[in-house]
Order: sequence, then structure tokens, then C-alpha cells
Amino acid sequence: KQEVTQIPAALSVPEGENLVLNCSFTDSAIYNLQWFRQDPGKGLTSLLLIQSSQREQTSGRLNASLDKSSGRSTLYIAASQPGDSATYLCAVNRHAGKSTFGDGTTLTVKP
Amino acid sequence: DGGITQSPKYLFRKEGQNVTLSCEQNLNHDAMYWYRQDPGQGLRLIYYSQIVNDFQKGDIAEGYSVSREKKESFPLTVTSAQKNPTAFYLCASSIVVTSQETQYFGPGTRLLVL
Repeated sequence: KQEVTQIPAALSVPEGENLVLNCSFTDSAIYNLQWFRQDPGKGLTSLLLIQSSQREQTSGRLNASLDKSSGRSTLYIAASQPGDSATYLCAVNRHAGKSTFGDGTTLTVKP
Repeated sequence: DGGITQSPKYLFRKEGQNVTLSCEQNLNHDAMYWYRQDPGQGLRLIYYSQIVNDFQKGDIAEGYSVSREKKESFPLTVTSAQKNPTAFYLCASSIVVTSQETQYFGPGTRLLVL
């Protein structure tokens, strides 16, 4: 059974700092891995999707990496801003239609 | 305006009552999903559907039922058999169920038990 762990559970940083969020998974037989952002009481917004054959994806200040063999992914956020404050979830898609989500990392960026 | 809509935003259930959560999408997506989220936790898959008139159980299907009579709609019924229904329910859709898919999420419905 696929298990997804996100560390840390919560993170507080001052504005402008670069930071890394971690996601680990137990079964390396995956289709892809996706990072989402969730604001309080809202749905999820997709940030980055990495295919199993890819090593990283970039979008603006965000960079996600994938090391399938070690079961790890990281989300790097450069020059953090207060508007980046949210919960970040990673989801591992292990086969058609079935995703396993981590519990998320709640990020607070202080002005 | 394309997207996924869920209604109602808040829903209250009495003991022994069945309630239905609505999910509609106008993205022309084939696949639709229902997830449950408990406080401080990630999402758990309840049911998913890859095509009209077909659906599959997810990891926590007990106490829930779904239908997929139209491509645009995937309602979820929380039955009286679900003993702990209080949670945030999220509906999602994707174009096709392949490694290229990205799931798009609705705004969610929060279900509370009276």
C-alpha cells in the first residue's frame, strides 16, 4: 500500500527566504507526482506535475524535483512572499485514477 | 466560465439521514473523483469514475454511494451507514486517466452532523 509522508507538518519563515518542502513515498511504481496548494477552507490548486520519467519541473518561483528510486520529491520556493502562505500537498498517482495524498505542510510567510 | 462547481458550500445532516452532495463540471472531462479531507490531513479517495455509467470504489467507499448518468455530473450520497461523516468533501475531474492527467478541484462542501 502506497504511503505518502510530508515533512515538516508546519513551517514558518520570514519573507524573502528560500525554502524546501519534502514529500516521500513508499512505492516507487508511480505514474506521476503532483504538488498542490490549498488555502483555508478552499479546494486544491495544481502547482506542478512531474511525470515518472522526469527529474524536475519549474513554474515561476517554484521548482519541484523527483527522485523515484529513493521515493522522494521536493518543492523549492524561491524568495517567499506572504501570499505563499497556504498548505502544500503532494499527491502520488500510482495507477489510473488513484492518487495518494500526503497530509500537507502548512507554510506561513511572515512580512 | 469553465470549471467545477460543488453545492452546497455547507450541509447539515441529521442522524439517520441520507444527504447528497452535488458536483458539476463543464470542462468536458471524462474522469471525476470524490475525496474526503479531515482536519490536518490529506485527501482520501472515496469513489472515482472514468466514464459515464461506470465508477469504482476508492480507499474509503463504505457508507457512500455515487452515480454517473451524465458526463458533467457526479453526485455523492452520504448514507446513514457512514457513522462519521463530518468532513470537507472535494470533487475533482481530469481529462483522461493517463500519466498526463492533472486533476482540477472544486471549492468543496463542508458536511456537519447536527
